[in-house]
Amino acid sequence: EADIYQTPRYLVIGTGKKITLECSQTMGHDKMYWYQQDPGMELHLIHYSYGVNSTEKGDLSSESTVSRIRTEHFPLTLESARPSHTSQYLCASSESDPGQGKETQYFGPGTRLLVL
Amino acid sequence: KNQVEQSPQSLIILEGKNCTLQCNYTVSPFSNLRWYKQDTGRGPVSLTIMTFSENTKSNGRYTATLDADTKQSSLHITASQLSDSASYICVVSDRGSTLGRLYFGRGTQLTVWP
Repeated sequence: EADIYQTPRYLVIGTGKKITLECSQTMGHDKMYWYQQDPGMELHLIHYSYGVNSTEKGDLSSESTVSRIRTEHFPLTLESARPSHTSQYLCASSESDPGQGKETQYFGPGTRLLVL
Repeated sequence: KNQVEQSPQSLIILEGKNCTLQCNYTVSPFSNLRWYKQDTGRGPVSLTIMTFSENTKSNGRYTATLDADTKQSSLHITASQLSDSASYICVVSDRGSTLGRLYFGRGTQLTVWP
């Protein structure tokens, strides 16, 4: 069982509200990721970070923003939520590649977001 | 275009039976292939990981195979249990960038009935 946590697990919010999804890991991993997953669909990378003060956008365009002020914490923020943001958001972390091409990402339980 | 295709999309089997899930990919250059298990409402959990030189990898009742020539992988589940009910996701990593980009399949939804 990986030590990576996400809060809240479920969130129902109205359009236009600002929200922050929390993600924390206690494994000391440098790399962290945010994915978006709709039911029955594949995961899409929306943000990633290689370490403190490093953040990059992923493959799927997202209106969300992230920050990495501490190694263990990688929050995702939506300034103005819309119904199109309704989805499941998964946070993951991984240690730097040990050099054998077997880097594994450990996932949190996810946050299910519903924007009305 | 780099893609990962999984079949079947869904599968129902009786408890105690075996089953095999398929994954075909077009990702190049290839680095490794992972199978993840995702329970409903949870994040994916890694089951196996195989690099180019590995043909098979086992984890308890789960056995994954890889044919890098045909770009196919399978996950075989032996003596299924109710707790095996989940989505099984095939994930392929390339070597094309420092990120080691991951390509996710849509998963096979397995339901095990008593």
